[in-house]
Amino acid sequence: EPEVTQTPSHQVTQMGQEVILRCVPISNHLYFYWYRQILGQKVEFLVSFYNNEISEKSEIFDDQFSVERPDGSNFTLKIRSTKLEDSAMYFCASSATGNQPQHFGDGTRLSIL
Amino acid sequence: AQTVTQSQPEMSVQEAETVTLSCTYDTSENNYYLFWYKQPPSRQMILVIRQEAYKQQNATENRFSVNFQKAAKSFSLKISDSQLGDTAMYFCAFMKPWGNGGSQGNLIFGKGTKLSVKP
Repeated sequence: EPEVTQTPSHQVTQMGQEVILRCVPISNHLYFYWYRQILGQKVEFLVSFYNNEISEKSEIFDDQFSVERPDGSNFTLKIRSTKLEDSAMYFCASSATGNQPQHFGDGTRLSIL
Repeated sequence: AQTVTQSQPEMSVQEAETVTLSCTYDTSENNYYLFWYKQPPSRQMILVIRQEAYKQQNATENRFSVNFQKAAKSFSLKISDSQLGDTAMYFCAFMKPWGNGGSQGNLIFGKGTKLSVKP
């Protein structure tokens, strides 16, 4: 069964550094998403992306965050200047249409030191 | 704004028995989608079941079924014949349809219920 894949599984970064989290959505999916989950808390929506542009973003997704689909397969989340509170599990998801279920990757655990 | 509430932080069940996880939500929308996701200790988010609000029939997926009560805004998950592999965090989620006036894929999650299946 097709899967969403995320790399790396764990990323450790110094505060203030830039970090890029990578995702390969399911190949025939057109809608892409990022969520985050701070340890012990619920999953929170960050951004949705369709047709090469952001469709919706949450209050969490401020100017430090950006997303990109640099080629036909990858979908990336960049945090420009990381803060301690960015430490979380980041999940990428994709769906075939906007109303079909979102399929999640295994997540990237981001640790900011 | 929509909210999702899971009132049971933790539950346990004996293997082979049945357990029901509760979820309520608040919305003024008439059309929407509801989901249950499972997150085992490996932390991958796995879709368990999906319900479309305009469908009166409760969704079923093998041992998993829902009791969708639209008027009460309730969406409980029943797991029959519980297995050790069902041990996980279970999240209820709500989504408005994609499009004008709706969300653009914003899944709103509850805080989760930690389910332990005991041998």
